[in-house]
Order: sequence, then C-alpha cells, then structure tokens
Amino acid sequence: GENVEQHPSTLSVQEGDSAVIKCTYSDSASNYFPWYKQELGKRPQLIIDIRSNVGEKKDQRIAVTLNKTAKHFSLHITETQPEDSAVYFCAAHNSGGSNYKLTFGKGTLLTVNP
Amino acid sequence: NAGVMQNPRHLVRRRGQEARLRCSPVKGHSHVYWYRQLPEEGLKFMVYLQKENIIDESGMPKERFSAEFPKEGPSILRIQQVVRGDSAAYFCASSPPGLPYNEQFFGPGTRLTVL
Repeated sequence: GENVEQHPSTLSVQEGDSAVIKCTYSDSASNYFPWYKQELGKRPQLIIDIRSNVGEKKDQRIAVTLNKTAKHFSLHITETQPEDSAVYFCAAHNSGGSNYKLTFGKGTLLTVNP
Repeated sequence: NAGVMQNPRHLVRRRGQEARLRCSPVKGHSHVYWYRQLPEEGLKFMVYLQKENIIDESGMPKERFSAEFPKEGPSILRIQQVVRGDSAAYFCASSPPGLPYNEQFFGPGTRLTVL
C-alpha cells in the first residue's frame, strides 16, 4: 500500500519568512496530492491540492510542487502570518483505481512567531 | 450549505461499553470515509462506504469495529466493548460521486474518551 513520509515534524518561523514542508510517497500510481490545515481542536481543511499532470500550483501565498520522478511534493508558504500557525498534513491518493482512501503524512506543526 | 456533520462532538465511555458515532455527509455526497486520529499523529484511514455498501474496510480493526451507511440516515461507526486504546478523534469525510473528483470534506470530528 501507499506510504507517505512528511518532514519536518515541527517548524518554527518568524512572521514574514517562508515555510517549506516536504512529503514523499511510495506508490507511483498515486496521482492526487492534497494538503490539509488543521487548527487545534478543529477539522482538517483542504488548502491546496495538485494532480500528477501538473508540476506546480499556486494560490496567493501558498504553492505546491510535485516531482513525480522522485515521488515527492512540497508545500510552500510565503510571507507567513501568525494565523498560519497550525498542523499541516500532506496526503496521497490513487484516483484511478477503486480505492478512494487518502494516505496521510504524520503532520507538521508550524508555528509562526510574531 | 451544510458541511459534514458529526455527532456527538465529545463522547465519554467506560471500558466495555459501546460507542456509536454518527456522520451526515454533505448533501449530494454519496461517498463517506472514516479516519482515526490518535494524539499528535496523522489521520489513519479506517473505512470507505457508499450507500448500503462497504467498499474498503482495510483500515478497520478486525474485531469490535463496524460501519454502515444506510439508504436513509447518517453513516454510523460502531465500536463495541471499548478499550482505552480506542480513545482518539474520529473524523468522517465525504466526497461527491464520480471520478476524477477527489476532494474529501471533513467533519468536525468526534472525540472519544474511554475511561
């Protein structure tokens, strides 16, 4: 089955700096990679996703890159703000088969210091 | 537009009791997923259901756990004879039918505490 590794487990940055979180996956058939943000005690919320037919996607201060050959993908947050502080999860999914489940990384606790 | 609803939000059970967790998907969504989140860990897939069918239960413990998504009403995750190790947050997610749409919308979760 799919295995997703996520690094780092914790990340502390100063407000205004950039933050990068990296994930690797094992199943070359995976073709959909969402990123979820989870604030303390709240539900995971999708912030950005990328499909395997593109290498990069950007939405304002957030971008995701995908390297299919190396089987890794990264989340980039620029000009970080205190409200970006949360746990971020990457996930991988094979939408071509009958298995719809998401396999998640263990999460990265991002702290943005004012 | 109501999102995914889960109830109860918090559930306390003593060892040996039963826990029933409910999930109402987004209106029009026919796919329901259950995930478990242990403290300071990621979400682990448990089961994927469509109306009246279990599609993939590869993440469900073999005993004491069961799930259903009846034709009418919410999806239910049932844990019989709970043990302390069942204490976790249980999240339900839903997605609309048809490929290649993949986004899963998560509910607020049920936090189960086993005393």
